[in-house]
Amino acid sequence: SAVISQKPSRDICQRGTSLTIQCQVDSQVTMMFWYRQQPGQSLTLIATANQGSEATYESGFVIDKFPISRPNLTFSTLTVSNMSPEDSSIYLCSAPSGGSDTQYFGPGTRLTVL
Amino acid sequence: AQSVAQPEDQVNVAEGNPLTVKCTYSVSGNPYLFWYVQYPNRGLQFLLKYITGDNLVKGSYGFEAEFNKSQTSFHLKKPSALVSDSALYFCAVRARSYYGNNRLAFGKGNQVVVIP
Repeated sequence: SAVISQKPSRDICQRGTSLTIQCQVDSQVTMMFWYRQQPGQSLTLIATANQGSEATYESGFVIDKFPISRPNLTFSTLTVSNMSPEDSSIYLCSAPSGGSDTQYFGPGTRLTVL
Repeated sequence: AQSVAQPEDQVNVAEGNPLTVKCTYSVSGNPYLFWYVQYPNRGLQFLLKYITGDNLVKGSYGFEAEFNKSQTSFHLKKPSALVSDSALYFCAVRARSYYGNNRLAFGKGNQVVVIP
């Protein structure tokens, strides 16, 4: 299985600021995924990040609000821009394990916006 | 588009009793089906999956699930629940199509409470 780490594990931020979340996978993967889990809710896919191309965003999510970088096959960042309290969520990155059908998840970043 | 229904919000079970968490799905074509578990303040952990083959699949921590194509269900089961099984359980599905993407659709999740 893939081992996926995220930084930071949690943060408390002020309204109007931005936070960049880092995701590191222990093996090279073509696709990485970013999800949001709002309090008491299920997971919602924000975007799919392919190395060497722009991320593909799901309906309701835009690049200006959630810019994503994918500089190589093991790393990605998600930025939550101009934050508001409604952005308070757990953000998780995910990747399949080299050729596997299974997506594995990082431990998540718990974001609180005041 | 694929979707998952987990009809119950919370499942309460006494320790030592059988545990069942229900899941039904909708997808075009043959499905890939998954169960994940989330413990408090933790990310999602993979439990088991159905891709093809035997309808009964076994996974981590003594869990198993049965794929039923006619009922479009993939219920999660454990013969004897432990207090440590108390957690949030998610069912997920994606289409098998080679030309599709790997987008997973998650159910809303079921909180399992195992009572000592």
